[in-house]
Amino acid sequence: QKEVEQDPGPLSVPEGAIVSLNCTYSNSAFQYFMWYRQYSRKGPELLMYTYSSGNKEDGRFTAQVDKSSKYISLFIRDSQPSDSATYLCAMSAFDTGNQFYFGTGTSLTVIP
Amino acid sequence: EAGVAQSPRYKIIEKRQSVAFWCNPISGHATLYWYQQILGQGPKLLIQFQNNGVVDDSQLPKDRFSAERLKGVDSTLKIQPAKLEDSAVYLCASSLERVGAYEQYFGPGTRLTVT
Repeated sequence: QKEVEQDPGPLSVPEGAIVSLNCTYSNSAFQYFMWYRQYSRKGPELLMYTYSSGNKEDGRFTAQVDKSSKYISLFIRDSQPSDSATYLCAMSAFDTGNQFYFGTGTSLTVIP
Repeated sequence: EAGVAQSPRYKIIEKRQSVAFWCNPISGHATLYWYQQILGQGPKLLIQFQNNGVVDDSQLPKDRFSAERLKGVDSTLKIQPAKLEDSAVYLCASSLERVGAYEQYFGPGTRLTVT
């Protein structure tokens, strides 16, 4: 079983839609949960991070962590064509040396 | 603030040849990471440096891969000899500290094709 599972998509939505991206994980020791956005032929860039459980909002982006279900989500409101990219979830824990475990990424296309 | 720099951006080599990648992290970042990202997969950590020292190289194929970070700044990753399955994007990332290092900043990557 992989440490982190993520549906690779691809996901295609019309402009203005609400997008939901999800990851599940198996290691209950994970404490930091990150979302990275990766445009084609670019390196990943950090979008948001959450420590432990709860919600975090930043503009059109909301990250949710449910540690009891080992499930994290990223919601994008009012999606824009510029949001078209691959979204990677990543997780880490102190007892794994803060090594990042990445999901496979979900490819998102927002259609104008 | 300048980002993480990597070179070359693209490299095509034949199997059994050697190749080296270079990374310059963000100024002041003590921790440096090399990742391998195969097409359609998430990045996989190869090696992590804290200043000059290796923190974690458990997933580095040491029979063919080597890495060094001289003077705690720049780093090079070498593959010798390359295999077809080494075709991937090699990403370098850096962060301020290791503990609680949720903010890793990535470079643009080097896309390696082994033929």
